[in-house]
Amino acid sequence: AQTVTQSQPEMSVQEAETVTLSCTYDTSESDYYLFWYKQPPSRQMILVIRQEAYKQQNATENRFSVNFQKAAKSFSLKISDSQLGDAAMYFCAYRSRDSNTGKLIFGQGTTLQVKP
Amino acid sequence: KAGVTQTPRYLIKTRGQQVTLSCSPISGHRSVSWYQQTPGQGLQFLFEYFSETQRNKGNFPGRFSGRQFSNSRSEMNVSTLELGDSALYLCASSLLATTYNEQFFGPGTRLTVL
Repeated sequence: AQTVTQSQPEMSVQEAETVTLSCTYDTSESDYYLFWYKQPPSRQMILVIRQEAYKQQNATENRFSVNFQKAAKSFSLKISDSQLGDAAMYFCAYRSRDSNTGKLIFGQGTTLQVKP
Repeated sequence: KAGVTQTPRYLIKTRGQQVTLSCSPISGHRSVSWYQQTPGQGLQFLFEYFSETQRNKGNFPGRFSGRQFSNSRSEMNVSTLELGDSALYLCASSLLATTYNEQFFGPGTRLTVL
């Protein structure tokens, strides 16, 4: 069974600075998808960024980028130029590509505080 | 285009009762998944429906059930409620059931069991 681990329950960053959230996962599959979701206090889960395991190039979405290390099974999220609106809980998630399912396996989440 | 809607947004029940939660996916989406979110267990997958068929089910007792209608709307039911069922229940929809399709989440239903 696949597992996702986020070892940082809480992180804080100063506005305009850069922060990195960590995520490791365990799987025996060779092909899969990895995601970072943001859940603000409103509770609406929003997709931040997606990485396909067969792609070596790290995904980037504006101020958000990932460092995907497949061999190490590591998938960290870097937020550059942090903004107050980035304050939220961030979840790392795994989805198998082999099995025809949309099931997401989530980590425990990291609460990000952004200080003005 | 309207997003995923969930009703009701808040619900208070007592132990032993049953509850039905509703999820309306984005128009045109045919796949609906349900997740339970608690502080202790985090986000856990409940089940997934596609074209009225349950495709996948998480490790939850039989008290948790669901269904999907021909218009893709989905309901989940919890019978004989327990205190531990207090949680935020999230619904997510996607266009198809293939793994690449992005899942869009609803705002959730906050269930409190007293």
